[in-house]
Amino acid sequence: AQKVTQAQTEISVVEKEDVTLDCVYETRDTTYYLFWYKQPPSGELVFLIRRNSFDEQNEISGRYSWNFQKSTSSFNFTITASQVVDSAVYFCALTSGTYKYIFGTGTRLKVLA
Amino acid sequence: EAQVTQNPRYLITVTGKKLTVTCSQNMNHEYMSWYRQDPGLGLRQIYYSMNVEVTDKGDVPEGYKVSRKEKRNFPLILESPSPNQTSLYFCASSSRPLAGGPGNEQFFGPGTRLTVL
Repeated sequence: AQKVTQAQTEISVVEKEDVTLDCVYETRDTTYYLFWYKQPPSGELVFLIRRNSFDEQNEISGRYSWNFQKSTSSFNFTITASQVVDSAVYFCALTSGTYKYIFGTGTRLKVLA
Repeated sequence: EAQVTQNPRYLITVTGKKLTVTCSQNMNHEYMSWYRQDPGLGLRQIYYSMNVEVTDKGDVPEGYKVSRKEKRNFPLILESPSPNQTSLYFCASSSRPLAGGPGNEQFFGPGTRLTVL
């Protein structure tokens, strides 16, 4: 069975602090895809990044970076110099050959001014 | 503008009264899906569709039906709603899965908040 675990239910940081959101996944498939989505207080779901199982390169996009490690089945998300606008719920998700999508329970990030 | 639309956005109904939540996308996407979001449970997939007339169950399909008669539309049907179906529902779509498997990012609708009394 596939599973995505986001153990951090809620994190609070002060603006300009760095913060890492953890995502641990389980799958028996060798080809799979991992995603991060953001849900700001307005409620919409916004795609952030996709990573496939054959590409373990870390990625950086501005203040955002992602660390994919197959050895620990983790796909962690780091925000550098957090800002109040980063306050949101962040979801990690997994899909593979079954075409089902499995989402984690989400991590609520609160960035305090 | 590329978008996924859902209607209604808010709905309060009573137990047993059949309802349909519509979902439409204008991006010519093959893949469409329905999710429900509940506190502490994240998003859970209800049904998905790989293309017209091709649908399959997600993790929580009980109490729901779907149909995909046209590529752009993917309605969610609750034949006899119950209070435990009170939730926030999202429709999503994505383009054809990449060769060797799925994996394109999904575009989500704005959500439908359903309350069943």
